[in-house]
Amino acid sequence: QKEVEQNSGPLSVPEGAIASLNCTYSDRGSQSFFWYRQYSGKSPELIMSIYSNGDKEDGRFTAQLNKASQYVSLLIRDSQPSDSATYLCAVTLSGGGFKTIFGAGTRLFVKA
Amino acid sequence: EAQVTQNPRYLITVTGKKLTVTCSQNMNHEYMSWYRQDPGLGLRQIYYSMNVEATDKGDVPEGYKVSRKEKRNFPLILESPSPNQTSLYFCASGEGGQPQHFGDGTRLSIL
Repeated sequence: QKEVEQNSGPLSVPEGAIASLNCTYSDRGSQSFFWYRQYSGKSPELIMSIYSNGDKEDGRFTAQLNKASQYVSLLIRDSQPSDSATYLCAVTLSGGGFKTIFGAGTRLFVKA
Repeated sequence: EAQVTQNPRYLITVTGKKLTVTCSQNMNHEYMSWYRQDPGLGLRQIYYSMNVEATDKGDVPEGYKVSRKEKRNFPLILESPSPNQTSLYFCASGEGGQPQHFGDGTRLSIL
């Protein structure tokens, strides 16, 4: 069974700090990786997608991918209380299809 | 406005009574997919579709059916619902096999 693991949290950071969210996956052949933000009672929103090793930056968000270590992370710089949400990591499995596995999510609290 | 529309938003029904949850998108996306979300388990993919008449199983397809007769629509069918299918369901669409836009969700309770 292919898996995506995240620390459930909650992760608590002060306003203005860097929040670091981590995710590991078991399918070594996976090529597509995604981070979603989900506010309580709402649907997931795509924040970042990453396909190559290294860093990808979009505003205050940076996704980092290390395929050798089967590890993907999301950094949120200058964290704001509005960033408080559950962050979901997702991986599309190898094998030619588009089966996507989600982690259970990490709850982030940003304290004002 | 880019939208994925699910209906109904809430449904309470009984075991064995067939139901359909509709999903429609207005972005001309080829990829559509269905997920269920349960506490502590995150999102689990039920089925996905890469184009009309092309559907494939996700991680938890048992007890569900889908169809893709038109590009914009991807209904989820529970032919004989059971209580263990009580959950929050999301439909999504996107490009390149990537779930980019999610509907608002359907909360389904099966008694």
